[in-house]
Amino acid sequence: AQSVTQLDSQVPVFEEAPVELRCNYSSSVSVYLFWYVQYPNQGLQLLLKYLSGSTLVKGINGFEAEFNKSQTSFHLRKPSVHISDTAEYFCAVRDNTDKLIFGTGTRLQVFP
Amino acid sequence: DGGITQSPKYLFRKEGQNVTLSCEQNLNHDAMYWYRQDPGQGLRLIYYSQIVNDFQKGDIAEGYSVSREKKESFPLTVTSAQKNPTAFYLCASRQDRAEPLHFGNGTRLTVT
Repeated sequence: AQSVTQLDSQVPVFEEAPVELRCNYSSSVSVYLFWYVQYPNQGLQLLLKYLSGSTLVKGINGFEAEFNKSQTSFHLRKPSVHISDTAEYFCAVRDNTDKLIFGTGTRLQVFP
Repeated sequence: DGGITQSPKYLFRKEGQNVTLSCEQNLNHDAMYWYRQDPGQGLRLIYYSQIVNDFQKGDIAEGYSVSREKKESFPLTVTSAQKNPTAFYLCASRQDRAEPLHFGNGTRLTVT
């Protein structure tokens, strides 16, 4: 069965510094990949998605992610974070079973 | 604006009582989902429905029930058989497999 691993449960970073949130998935078969953001006591909002085509995907709020098939990774990056980026970030993968499998999340804490 | 409405936002119940969480969408999406979120565990799939009058169990369906009598509505009942019902519950929908899930703002259920 497909699984998603977000190795970092928390990532502290200072404002204006770059950040990378790591995501690895278990299967190399064709997948759809997503990153979502969740602010406290709210639902999840889509940041970006990879379906096919270019391996570098740009999303909202200045985030981007790179699909690496050989390493089965889909890491999320931002060159300069803001205080308002403090939130929980979830990586998710949908495979041919049609279920969307989520990672356990990474809490990004941006300090002034 | 189209979207998913979950109500209520906060819900308190006594142990042993059944409780129903509401989820309504006006996005005209065929598929709807219920997830449970616990700290440090990501999102786990409870039930999903790909079409009216049909639904399937997810990974943690025990102690829960659903119905899908209308396309726009997918209520979740947390029964007294659910051993640990206190959690944040998220409803989502999508139109087709390549599209991301759209989430409601969640219902936080506390059972004492």
